[in-house]
Amino acid sequence: QVQLVQSGAEVKKPGASVKVSCKASGYTFTSNYMHWVLQAPGQGFEWMGIINPSCGSTSYAQKFQGRVTLTRDTSTSTVYMELSSLRSEDTAVYYCARADSTTYYLDYWGQGTLVTVSS
Amino acid sequence: DIQMTQSPSSLSASVGDRVTITCRASQGIGIYLAWYQQKPGKVPKFLIYAASTLQSGVPSRFSGSGSGTDFTLTISSLQPEDVATYYCQKYNGAPFTFGPGTKVDIK
Repeated sequence: QVQLVQSGAEVKKPGASVKVSCKASGYTFTSNYMHWVLQAPGQGFEWMGIINPSCGSTSYAQKFQGRVTLTRDTSTSTVYMELSSLRSEDTAVYYCARADSTTYYLDYWGQGTLVTVSS
Repeated sequence: DIQMTQSPSSLSASVGDRVTITCRASQGIGIYLAWYQQKPGKVPKFLIYAASTLQSGVPSRFSGSGSGTDFTLTISSLQPEDVATYYCQKYNGAPFTFGPGTKVDIK
């Protein structure tokens, strides 16, 4: 069965960076793109970016361009989301979510990782 | 970029009621529209893709329709376990924008 297991909660100071991991299992890792989405407390979802695990190509939301980096490690079937220059407004739950193999809807989601930015 | 809106932002209905949620795209997106359900404190669950195709295992009381700019999610007979926030999302290309959500409650 498809599983996406994310790394644990993080507490960071403003200006720092955070790197969240998402380990995939139960399918061929390079066959499906991976999205990253955030959900601020009490808010809806905001799409951050997408990575093609096969070649590493990425596409980012304009809002996060220059601050977010998506990478992957095919040897461990893991994708990473690094967000830099953190501010308090970045406090949110960050989700990885697999894209369907032929289109881009999000068919499986990780459990979410809470990132808290506080001085 | 294409913007996604939803209405209403929240609704309260009785068990057994028919509930309809509307999602609108600022430009045509064909049928590249998905719906997700998020119960309080839980991970989102994928419900519908291609505007009207139910994901395997989703109860048949859920249905979707629409194309172009106007879409609907219908729950034919609201059940207590359907209390959740429902989100639409366009997936015809980046950015893969979500609607703001519709919170569904039991009256």
